[in-house]
Amino acid sequence: AQKITQTQPGMFVQEKEAVTLDCTYDTSDQSYGLFWYKQPSSGEMIFLIYQGSYDEQNATEGRYSLNFQKARKSANLVISASQLGDSAMYFCAMREGPWAGNTPLVFGKGTRLSVIA
Amino acid sequence: EADIYQTPRYLVIGTGKKITLECSQTMGHDKMYWYQQDPGMELHLIHYSYGVNSTEKGDLSSESTVSRIRTEHFPLTLESARPSHTSQYLCASSTGTPPTDTQYFGPGTRLTVL
Repeated sequence: AQKITQTQPGMFVQEKEAVTLDCTYDTSDQSYGLFWYKQPSSGEMIFLIYQGSYDEQNATEGRYSLNFQKARKSANLVISASQLGDSAMYFCAMREGPWAGNTPLVFGKGTRLSVIA
Repeated sequence: EADIYQTPRYLVIGTGKKITLECSQTMGHDKMYWYQQDPGMELHLIHYSYGVNSTEKGDLSSESTVSRIRTEHFPLTLESARPSHTSQYLCASSTGTPPTDTQYFGPGTRLTVL
């Protein structure tokens, strides 16, 4: 079963508008972490934001926020005031517990965001 | 933010050659990882290390091998490269306690095997 599902292969957004990138996850663990990464065309993976399963507040980092809905198992990334430099692939990822385990970071298939001037 | 370096950034090589992809980090992170990513696709973990002299295979079967003799260095070796090895290879490192430890990635090596 797919652990991380990103249903939007591609998205377009107008510059200065907000955009939401969807991510749903599947786990039976109570303890897990959710991550979003940005991958520009140059290929590097840039960490954007993290949400822990026990965090009560939605994570925010500058223009990035994570809309965490635990009951629905969704962790959508919201980018406010889009910029041309936001054009990239965006990957949602999850790391499950236990605390001392060797569980890998599992990635979704990604969403390609294109910001239009 | 971690400082993590990969060399070479691009490599084109013939079938049957032995290659080593280098990865180094200067943050003293105990955990290091290698991922393989085909263009436009998700990342798959092929190797990881939780410390010196500790290496494990990831969830994607790989013909490569790794070593972790020093904390800062985690090279990946292909004994005999094949066209099926053509891909991008990303190295990452992290510290802290799973599942909250954030992985920071290097710039990647794009490998093409002819």
